[in-house]
Amino acid sequence: QTVLTQPPSVSGAPGQRVTISCTGSSSNIGAGYDVHWYQQLPGTAPKLLISGNNNRPSGVPDRFSGSKSGSSASLAIAGLQAEDEADYYCQSYDDRLFGSRVFGTGTKVTVL
Amino acid sequence: QVQLVQSGAEVKKPGAAVKVSCKASGYTFTNFDINWVRQAPGQGLEWMGWMNPKSGNTGYAQKFRGRVTFSRNTSVTTAYMELGNLRSEDTAVYYCARGRGIAGLDPWGPGTLVIVPS
Repeated sequence: QTVLTQPPSVSGAPGQRVTISCTGSSSNIGAGYDVHWYQQLPGTAPKLLISGNNNRPSGVPDRFSGSKSGSSASLAIAGLQAEDEADYYCQSYDDRLFGSRVFGTGTKVTVL
Repeated sequence: QVQLVQSGAEVKKPGAAVKVSCKASGYTFTNFDINWVRQAPGQGLEWMGWMNPKSGNTGYAQKFRGRVTFSRNTSVTTAYMELGNLRSEDTAVYYCARGRGIAGLDPWGPGTLVIVPS
């Protein structure tokens, strides 16, 4: 069953700012669990983009930022670039699934 | 550098089992969990479970319990995922990824394509 909901697609022109929402509930994000974000470029494995709600691993540009509030989280991409065109997934944990990791439905970002 | 290398693509008949390997290098294998995630063609990511290489403890997503087994060989720093009773819906790319507790998964292996023809 779908636990974390993301918009299927988001688009923007180069240089614009786009945001991706990740909507959960009181048994996952709302329960206080951290949210992580992954970027999956076409034909490649996912890569950790944001860890622990708002921390960028080494090497991730500061154009990417994460936030969390209540039962939702967001990923923002500022100054959109052509190489940002990819699928993005949020990930958290769910009490109803015995603390299992759960992924969002995924969002395709298109650079116009 | 930290790296996970996975075994090659497999084609299996329905009802058979597949075993995918994930060889870790560049870090202390027993200090981090190995998680398994799969992605069906054109679909999203689906978490399958985790294993602690030091203790051998495992945790399986409810959907896969009874059908999947995680194991490891610490002498060759390799983790394994075996999925049995395969059906066509199991056709997917299977990824291993390093984790620790509730931290993010990093890095990921390149993935292993498993095809189960219908």
